[in-house]
Amino acid sequence: RKEVEQDPGPFNVPEGATVAFNCTYSNSASQSFFWYRQDCRKEPKLLMSVYSSGNEDGRFTAQLNRASQYISLLIRDSKLSDSATYLCVVIRGGGADGLTFGKGTHLIIQP
Amino acid sequence: GAVVSQHPSWVICKSGTSVKIECRSLDFQATTMFWYRQFPKQSLMLMATSNEGSKATYEQGVEKDKFLINHASLTLSTLTVTSAHPEDSSFYICSASVGRNGGYTFGSGTRLTVV
Repeated sequence: RKEVEQDPGPFNVPEGATVAFNCTYSNSASQSFFWYRQDCRKEPKLLMSVYSSGNEDGRFTAQLNRASQYISLLIRDSKLSDSATYLCVVIRGGGADGLTFGKGTHLIIQP
Repeated sequence: GAVVSQHPSWVICKSGTSVKIECRSLDFQATTMFWYRQFPKQSLMLMATSNEGSKATYEQGVEKDKFLINHASLTLSTLTVTSAHPEDSSFYICSASVGRNGGYTFGSGTRLTVV
């Protein structure tokens, strides 16, 4: 089983729609969770951290369910500029650990 | 904010040659730098963790003699792909931690093509 699993999509949604996707992680000892955004041929950029209590940043809401080991991202009122690949990212342990990335979910917002 | 400068952005080289990729932290000190690679339509995979002044820690399956990492100062880490082969063609990217709450900043990546 992969450490971080995501549905690769692509998800094609119309502009203005609300879209949500999840990822699951296998290591129950994982400590920190993030959503990153990666545009084609570019480096990943942090979108937001994910907490059990939920985290909202404008149109974006992230949620962590530790019991089920899944992480969700909700995008409301989607914009054309939201088209990108969204990477679910987990830090395996404490200290200076590298990030474990999911394959990413490709989102295409259509006009 | 914290910036990591990565060079070159892209390189095309012949099989058998070596390529050096540099990552510099511009406005902070990076005691730890992470090196990833990403094949087309695949996730970023951690290759190694580079610690200033000590040997790098390589992930399982990554050849340490082929991917030489040097982290001689707090602001510079280099990855050298030695005796490159076409299967080494990939997107290589470095990252440094600038805090625990998602504070990982990435270099802009190096697209390596070995012909």
